[in-house]
Amino acid sequence: EDQVTQSPEALRLQEGESSSLNCSYTVSGLRGLFWYRQDPGKGPEFLFTLYSAGEEKEKERLKATLTKKESFLHITAPKPEDSATYLCAVQKSLYGNNRLAFGKGNQVVVIP
Amino acid sequence: DTEVTQTPKHLVMGMTNKKSLKCEQHMGHRAMYWYKQKAKKPPELMFVYSYEKLSINESVPSRFSPECPNSSLLNLHLHALQPEDSALYLCASSQGRGTGQTGNIQYFGAGTRLSVL
Repeated sequence: EDQVTQSPEALRLQEGESSSLNCSYTVSGLRGLFWYRQDPGKGPEFLFTLYSAGEEKEKERLKATLTKKESFLHITAPKPEDSATYLCAVQKSLYGNNRLAFGKGNQVVVIP
Repeated sequence: DTEVTQTPKHLVMGMTNKKSLKCEQHMGHRAMYWYKQKAKKPPELMFVYSYEKLSINESVPSRFSPECPNSSLLNLHLHALQPEDSALYLCASSQGRGTGQTGNIQYFGAGTRLSVL
């Protein structure tokens, strides 16, 4: 069975304290891995998509990396506005219509 | 512009009411999705429309009825809901089949917070 597991479930960081979020997946035929940011009561906001092992993408204080078994979202020198739930999702090549399998999310709180 | 607009933002309805949720995008996307999200849980796929045709129904109860009147609009008709249907309902869109890797990216709306009394 395909699985997407995110860890840690919750993380409290001091402002400026860098850390990493993990998304491990077991899926055959990975078509793409996606990171989203979600604020309370809002819809997920697209951050990154990664397609092949070794790929990296950056946006401001965030950097996403991908291996054959997991992805990391690195948060460098976080600020309070980086507080959110970060969702990881994978898409299988055998699925039609872009069905995504989501992990349960990493809830991040950055304390000033 | 990657905007998906959902209305209303909030909805309170009784179990005997009939209401509709609306979703609109003007990005030329040909795949549209409805998700349901409970508190502290990931989004759960409900329906997928591809080129205005229903392509995935994730065994959703018939009290939820989707409709795609045209390529820019997606509705979710609600009837005789139960209190456990209270959740954040999210709409998303993507470019659609055969549009390459970036065509897989789903863009979400802000959601409709539904409360069933």
